[in-house]
Amino acid sequence: AQSVTQLGSHVSVSEGALVLLRCNYSSSVPPYLFWYVQYPNQGLQLLLKYTSAATLVKGINGFEAEFKKSETSFHLTKPSAHMSDAAEYFCAVSDPTSGTYKYIFGTGTRLKVLA
Amino acid sequence: DAGVTQSPTHLIKTRGQQVTLRCSPKSGHDTVSWYQQALGQGPQFIFQYYEEEERQRGNFPDRFSGHQFPNYSSELNVNALLLGDSALYLCASSWDRAQETQYFGPGTRLLVL
Repeated sequence: AQSVTQLGSHVSVSEGALVLLRCNYSSSVPPYLFWYVQYPNQGLQLLLKYTSAATLVKGINGFEAEFKKSETSFHLTKPSAHMSDAAEYFCAVSDPTSGTYKYIFGTGTRLKVLA
Repeated sequence: DAGVTQSPTHLIKTRGQQVTLRCSPKSGHDTVSWYQQALGQGPQFIFQYYEEEERQRGNFPDRFSGHQFPNYSSELNVNALLLGDSALYLCASSWDRAQETQYFGPGTRLLVL
């Protein structure tokens, strides 16, 4: 069975500061991992994905994440926060051997950016 | 290129009623997955449709059913609505040969009174 844990349901950072959103996963097979962002009253937008290629993955809007198998982590970072980054962020895991790639999501982290 | 579209955007129903939600996948996609996102929670997988058949189902009761049409669009039906069915229902589409990436629609927000 797969699961995702996102540490910190709310994270606040100052504008221009480093953004670090934590995601740990559990999977019995090498997983695929994803970060999605959700703005208020909207659907999910893909930020980046890890599908067993490079362990450091770069995404849109300056975000990146590093797959660390030894730590079962896939933390999301951005060097400098912008006001427009305020949103809810979801980490998800899927099983590439399942045939359906259904996503298992974490409970989300709400990012607040302070002026 | 149109993305994933869903209708309606909002819906209010009363307990015991039935509801149908609709989804049109992104152009070129043939697989549709449905997720339920309760307030303050992450989305939960309901089921996936491919070639007009349900390919996998999550931990949801039989009150939740679906359909996929030849043009790949899909419907989610929920019977005998409960208060706990109030949620944002998200449709995601993908291409069977590149299923790992799912593209989400804006969702339908269902309120059950």
